[in-house]
Amino acid sequence: GQQVMQIPQYQHVQEGEDFTTYCNSSTTLSNIQWYKQRPGGHPVFLIQLVKSGEVKKQKRLTFQFGEAKKNSSLHITATQTTDVGTYFCAGPNAGNMLTFGGGTRLMVKP
Amino acid sequence: GAVVSQHPSWVICKSGTSVKIECRSLDFQATTMFWYRQFPKQSLMLMATSNEGSKATYEQGVEKDKFLINHASLTLSTLTVTSAHPEDSSFYICSAPRQVTQYFGPGTRLLVL
Repeated sequence: GQQVMQIPQYQHVQEGEDFTTYCNSSTTLSNIQWYKQRPGGHPVFLIQLVKSGEVKKQKRLTFQFGEAKKNSSLHITATQTTDVGTYFCAGPNAGNMLTFGGGTRLMVKP
Repeated sequence: GAVVSQHPSWVICKSGTSVKIECRSLDFQATTMFWYRQFPKQSLMLMATSNEGSKATYEQGVEKDKFLINHASLTLSTLTVTSAHPEDSSFYICSAPRQVTQYFGPGTRLLVL
C-alpha cells in the first residue's frame, strides 16, 4: 500500500534559524496536504498542493510539491517559538482517506 | 472554516468498561468520517472509516468487535471502545472531509486504569 515518509523525525533549532521537513511518497499523489499539530492539540490543515512543481507561501512558510508529485517540502524561515509543533504531510488514498507521514517534531529554543 | 467537535475531551475509566466517543461535524454534513489513534510522539494511525448508512470499514489489525463505529446521521459518528484495557489508552481523533480538506476534532484522551 501507499507509504508516506517524513524526515527528520525531530529537529531542534534556535529561534531565528530556518527549518525544513521533507516528505516522500511511495506512489504518485494527486495532491499533498500539510498539517500542523501543536503539543496537546489536534492536526490543523495548513495547505494543499496540487500541481507538479507547485510552490506556495504562507508568510514565513514555503511549501513545495515535487515535479514527479511524489515528494514535498515545508520550509520555515526564521523560526519563532510559535512554530513549535509537529508537522505532518499527508497524501490522499481512495475515498477521501489520507495517509499521514510520520511527522517532524519541531522544537524552537528561545 | 468547518468545525468538528468531539466529546468527551478526556476520559479515565476502569479496565473492562466501555467508552463511547462522539464526533460531530457542526456546520457541514459528512457522509464519511475517519477515526484515528495517536500514541505519544507518533503519527496518526487510521483505525476505520465511518460511513453514514452502511458499515464502517476497518483498517487491517483493528478489531471491529472491540471498536464499534456507528454513523448515526450525516453529522454524527460514534466510536465505542468495548471492554477497554490499559493498552487501549491513547489519543483518539476523528476527522471529517469537506471538499478536499480534512477537518479534525479536538481529540479524546482515553486513560484506562
